[in-house]
Amino acid sequence: KNEVEQSPQNLTAQEGEFITINCSYSVGISALHWLQQHPGGGIVSLFMLSSGKKKHGRLIATINIQEKHSSLHITASHPRDSAVYICAVVETSGSRLTFGEGTQLTVNP
Amino acid sequence: NAGVTQTPKFQVLKTGQSMTLQCAQDMNHEYMSWYRQDPGMGLRLIHYSVGAGITDQGEVPNGYNVSRSTTEDFPLRLLSAAPSQTSVYFCASSRRRDSSNYGYTFGSGTRLTVV
Repeated sequence: KNEVEQSPQNLTAQEGEFITINCSYSVGISALHWLQQHPGGGIVSLFMLSSGKKKHGRLIATINIQEKHSSLHITASHPRDSAVYICAVVETSGSRLTFGEGTQLTVNP
Repeated sequence: NAGVTQTPKFQVLKTGQSMTLQCAQDMNHEYMSWYRQDPGMGLRLIHYSVGAGITDQGEVPNGYNVSRSTTEDFPLRLLSAAPSQTSVYFCASSRRRDSSNYGYTFGSGTRLTVV
């Protein structure tokens, strides 16, 4: 069983829809990262959080440390949001990132 | 532009050949790392470094060597390429080893094919 599980694996939405991607983890962590990987392959850091909630534009990330769960929300989705979204955790035992397999999001116009 | 520079972007190797993937950052980051990304799997850590002269193995280190002679550079060497090393490789850096307080910056990736 992976230490970091994301759901869904694939998600197709219509432009304007509200989107939620979930991440559950089984280890103690000091931080959680949400990353975005576009079709060209580059990886961009969206959020780093250790508690509560962060917002940047149409993106919102939340984390519940007790439940070992984080969500990434996209409001008013747009085709340019189409990408793979990756959850990664920093375990309290060390400095390494452990990655989920990613969620492929496709937003149709 | 400040960031992480990876070269080359694409490479095809024959089985048994050796090569070096280059990674350089100009942000004075202490922590640098190499990952490989394979279909159906999350990124996996190959090797990492917490500062010049210090390197350590990650999850999948076999077949790869690294060195960190300067803060800026962290090359990844494939000693004798095998088809199983066909993958996309990413270099990433962070300001400190304790990345719970600092974000990661990723390079643009190297797509390697071993035939």
